[in-house]
Amino acid sequence: GENVEQHPSTLSVQEGDSAVIKCTYSDSASNYFPWYKQELGKRPQLIIDIRSNVGEKKDQRIAVTLNKTAKHFSLHITETQPEDSAVYFCASMEYGNKLVFGAGTILRVKS
Amino acid sequence: EAQVTQNPRYLITVTGKKLTVTCSQNMNHEYMSWYRQDPGLGLRQIYYSMNVEVTDKGDVPEGYKVSRKEKRNFPLILESPSPNQTSLYFCASSPRQERSYNSPLHFGNGTRLTVT
Repeated sequence: GENVEQHPSTLSVQEGDSAVIKCTYSDSASNYFPWYKQELGKRPQLIIDIRSNVGEKKDQRIAVTLNKTAKHFSLHITETQPEDSAVYFCASMEYGNKLVFGAGTILRVKS
Repeated sequence: EAQVTQNPRYLITVTGKKLTVTCSQNMNHEYMSWYRQDPGLGLRQIYYSMNVEVTDKGDVPEGYKVSRKEKRNFPLILESPSPNQTSLYFCASSPRQERSYNSPLHFGNGTRLTVT
């Protein structure tokens, strides 16, 4: 089955700097890659997603890039703010219609 | 308000005492799923359901049961809980979930279960 590896496990950045979280997947047939944000004590919520026929997608300060050849995708957050502090999960949908999540990245934005 | 409702939010129980965590969604979603969240392991899928009366095992189904008799409800049953099932559990739903049609998961607020 699909295996999703996420790095780094923790990331500290200064407010205003950029943050990058990377994920790799194993199933070359995977075609859908969402990113979820989970604030402390709350539920995960979708922040951006990308499909395999697209290389990059942006939504204001957030962008996701996908490299199908290398089987990796990344989340980019620019001009980070304290409210960006949270746990971020990447995920990949494998052939069997199952969404497999990475282990998560704790992002801390220091003001 | 469109939402996924889980109950209870917190539960402390003892080994072997059967329990049920309820999950209900009011969005007429076909797809529902249960995850457990453990530190360093992310969200791991326990069971999922593509539609009424259709359920399938996820990555960590051992020790759990589910049922999908109605579209809106997807209870998680622990017949004989053990300490290694102490975790944070999330129910989630989406309109559909298949290769040709992906849609975001809507998560419930979570159930923190402690088994002593």
